[in-house]
Amino acid sequence: DVKVTQSSRYLVKRTGEKVFLECVQDMDHENMFWYRQDPGLGLRLIYFSYDVKMKEKGDIPEGYSVSREKKERFSLILESASTNQTSMYLCASSATGTGSYEQYFGPGTRLTVT
Amino acid sequence: EDKVVQSPLSLVVHEGDTVTLNCSYEVTNFRSLLWYKQEKKAPTFLFMLTSSGIEKKSGRLSSILDKKELFSILNITATQTGDSAVYLCARRITGGGNKLTFGTGTQLKVEL
Repeated sequence: DVKVTQSSRYLVKRTGEKVFLECVQDMDHENMFWYRQDPGLGLRLIYFSYDVKMKEKGDIPEGYSVSREKKERFSLILESASTNQTSMYLCASSATGTGSYEQYFGPGTRLTVT
Repeated sequence: EDKVVQSPLSLVVHEGDTVTLNCSYEVTNFRSLLWYKQEKKAPTFLFMLTSSGIEKKSGRLSSILDKKELFSILNITATQTGDSAVYLCARRITGGGNKLTFGTGTQLKVEL
C-alpha cells in the first residue's frame, strides 16, 4: 500500500512565524503535491514537484514556497505565517508515465495561525 | 477557465436510498476524471474514468463519464451511514503533468 505521511496532524503557530510542513511518501513516486482545503473552496493546489529539485506553482502559490531535496520528501514552507493561511494542508503523491495515475493523499495537517 | 463543478453541494438521505452525484467540467483537453471519498481525513481514491460510456463499478458505487457533454455521475445504491462523506471529483488534462483540478465536493449525509 502507498503510504503518504505528514509530520503533524495539528499545528498552532503565531502570525509572522516561519512554518515547515513535511511530507514523505514511500512508493518512489516522481510527483508530489501540496494542497490546502477550505470550506466551500475545495482542494486548491499550492505547489507541485515532478522531480527532485523541480517545482511548479499551482493555483495559489502566494505566501508559500517548497523544497524537494530528496525524492521521497516534499516540504511546504510558510515564510511568514498569516491568519489567512489557517487551513487544512494535504500532501499527495503519484506515479508518472504515459498512463493516468491517481494521487494518494496524506492524512492532512490542520494549521491554525493566531 | 477550467472549472470543475459539483452538484448538489450537500445532500441528506435515508439509509437504503439511491443517490446520484454530479460533476461537470469546462475544459476540452481532457485526460481523465477521478472520484474520491473524503471522511474526516485524507481523500481516498474511488474511480478513474477516461472513456465515455463505460461504467466503472465497485460494490454499491458506480460511475460513468460523458465526454461529449463534459460530465460524470457517481451513483450509490442502498446507501449506508458509512457512505456519509464528502465526495470529490477532479479532472486531469493532457500535458498537465499529473496535476488535478478538484471540484468543491458534495457533502453526503446518510441518516438511519
